[in-house]
Amino acid sequence: DAGVIQSPRHEVTEMGQEVTLRCKPISGHNSLFWYRQTMMRGLELLIYFNNNVPIDDSGMPEDRFSAKMPNASFSTLKIQPSEPRDSAVYFCASSRDRKETQYFGPGTRLLVL
Amino acid sequence: DQQVKQNSPSLSVQEGRISILNCDYTNSMFDYFLWYKKYPAEGPTFLISISSIKDKNEDGRFTVFLNKSAKHLSLHIVPSQPGDSAVYFCAAITGNQFYFGTGTSLTVIP
Repeated sequence: DAGVIQSPRHEVTEMGQEVTLRCKPISGHNSLFWYRQTMMRGLELLIYFNNNVPIDDSGMPEDRFSAKMPNASFSTLKIQPSEPRDSAVYFCASSRDRKETQYFGPGTRLLVL
Repeated sequence: DQQVKQNSPSLSVQEGRISILNCDYTNSMFDYFLWYKKYPAEGPTFLISISSIKDKNEDGRFTVFLNKSAKHLSLHIVPSQPGDSAVYFCAAITGNQFYFGTGTSLTVIP
């Protein structure tokens, strides 16, 4: 298995633009997680899906952030409009179940100018 | 509100010695704890976990200790190797809530 796949690996955009991050979880995994990593706050859970259904989105910073999981093999995290403070590394992870080991993707490094 | 804290941002250890990474938490409802290791430009990878019903879990050179009364978790690496140099995150789970610490950067000096 190729592991969790994220794209793009790097994104540089200007403030106000829409940013879409993509994730393909490991086949057979029922849980998918989006995290954001910053120096100040470490790894923060943004949203968690189980069987394609959002279970907990309390970590989503504000309405500018939205996430979807239209099927078991694909998820997106969208920021619209983006702001410089959104600059961070965004990780996607998947697991068989919420307490099983989470396998992380390589991350998307986002820079909003 | 940081429910999982790693108060040491960095740690340096000589090769062959013991590395001890610490993690404190505030929520007594956490029932599962994990340690992840992260190399630069890569996603975190799972290292070892422990359920709240245990106080120790060992896997090769890695041992995790849980002190529930002190709300303290630690990871011991013995003996430390240069390849262990990475950022280590502790994480805690309760219900649908997942919390990660801010990480400790370990450098093992050859």
